[in-house]
Amino acid sequence: IAGITQAPTSQILAAGRRMTLRCTQDMRHNAMYWYRQDLGLGLRLIHYSNTAGTTGKGEVPDGYSVSRANTDDFPLTLASAVPSQTSVYFCASSQGGEKNYGYTFGSGTRLTVV
Amino acid sequence: AQSVSQHNHHVILSEAASLELGCNYSYGGTVNLFWYVQYPGQHLQLLLKYFSGDPLVKGIKGFEAEFIKSKFSFNLRKPSVQWSDTAEYFCAVNYNNAGNMLTFGGGTRLMVKP
Repeated sequence: IAGITQAPTSQILAAGRRMTLRCTQDMRHNAMYWYRQDLGLGLRLIHYSNTAGTTGKGEVPDGYSVSRANTDDFPLTLASAVPSQTSVYFCASSQGGEKNYGYTFGSGTRLTVV
Repeated sequence: AQSVSQHNHHVILSEAASLELGCNYSYGGTVNLFWYVQYPGQHLQLLLKYFSGDPLVKGIKGFEAEFIKSKFSFNLRKPSVQWSDTAEYFCAVNYNNAGNMLTFGGGTRLMVKP
């Protein structure tokens, strides 16, 4: 079934540790996004990539980095995790082009930093 | 700055009651509009979308939304809710100067009492 796969599903991480959240899509979508979802704050954009080889900063990029070496993969790295990064992280993709069909979302990664 | 506002953070209804969730957005240019639903423990799924044409859009599961350009609004409605509609609902806007990127509202948590 075409879609987005995120891993891990959940993780408890010690503060100061490095962590990479994985995101893979098989729809050949051009654009990919990382959001964090926090109670009362909705979804906030961390980083995005409009096409392979390019990335950009979203609303809350500090403490996170991304790469887009190919079309399918868009990993999100926390270089040194802090408790405020406890959140649910969603990866999403969109087809791109003139007509915006919206996003396809992954199932999310629940991260707890202790 | 471009922003999306959902004024109702929490809504509690009884089954068969009518639903209307508000969504307002800033900026007066061309927009594409979306409503997403997130059932408990799941990822976001597209409920309906508006690109152009008839401002009354019908989506899945009996939901509809009306685009009122003069009010910068895209309210979600359902004539008779069911217990299974318990979820969080997000309004999202694609502004024409933002590629395919979506700006999300803060979400509305709907609880339907059986």
